[in-house]
Amino acid sequence: EAGVAQSPRYKIIEKRQSVAFWCNPISGHATLYWYQQILGQGPKLLIQFQNNGVVDDSQLPKDRFSAERLKGVDSTLKIQPAKLEDSAVYLCASSFRPAVTGELFFGEGSRLTVL
Amino acid sequence: RKEVEQDPGPFNVPEGATVAFNCTYSNSASQSFFWYRQDCRKEPKLLMSVYSSGNEDGRFTAQLNRASQYISLLIRDSKLSDSATYLCVVNPYGGATNKLIFGTGTLLAVQP
Repeated sequence: EAGVAQSPRYKIIEKRQSVAFWCNPISGHATLYWYQQILGQGPKLLIQFQNNGVVDDSQLPKDRFSAERLKGVDSTLKIQPAKLEDSAVYLCASSFRPAVTGELFFGEGSRLTVL
Repeated sequence: RKEVEQDPGPFNVPEGATVAFNCTYSNSASQSFFWYRQDCRKEPKLLMSVYSSGNEDGRFTAQLNRASQYISLLIRDSKLSDSATYLCVVNPYGGATNKLIFGTGTLLAVQP
């Protein structure tokens, strides 16, 4: 079974530029998450989708971050304009019954460096 | 107060040692609890769930103390391959939201 796919794996940009990350979850997983993990910290939830609807985006900096999940499958996370503090790994995860099993399947992440 | 708090460590232990990590959570209504493991520069992976009565999986034992709002993970007979960051994860609102909050993680380094 294919895992969660993310791209690009690495991205280096200058501050104030924009960047987009793509995620393809495991087939059949209705719940999709984007987490931000800064070096030395745990993953921080940015946004959670249930199918194509947003369940929680309370921690998403909406002045610069946006995310969508069209047709309830793939998702994109965009940052515009980027700041130095956005340097982090952006992890996409999907799950079938996360509240019960607690099992999120993570992609390998997209590592962003903002210069 | 953070929703989930952990001692970041590092915990440096010799092979064969027993080591324990604690994690505290702020929302007393939290429903489910988990431990994840994250290897260096890799994605987190589920290690085990934490049940009210405590549960064991080989050398790993997880316990929950609802009264004191903490979760623990005990690793017996540590192996070099146990070196990783251990993340405490809490579902603070129950099944309706499927929201999972991660702690900062505790770094374990097992020395030969």
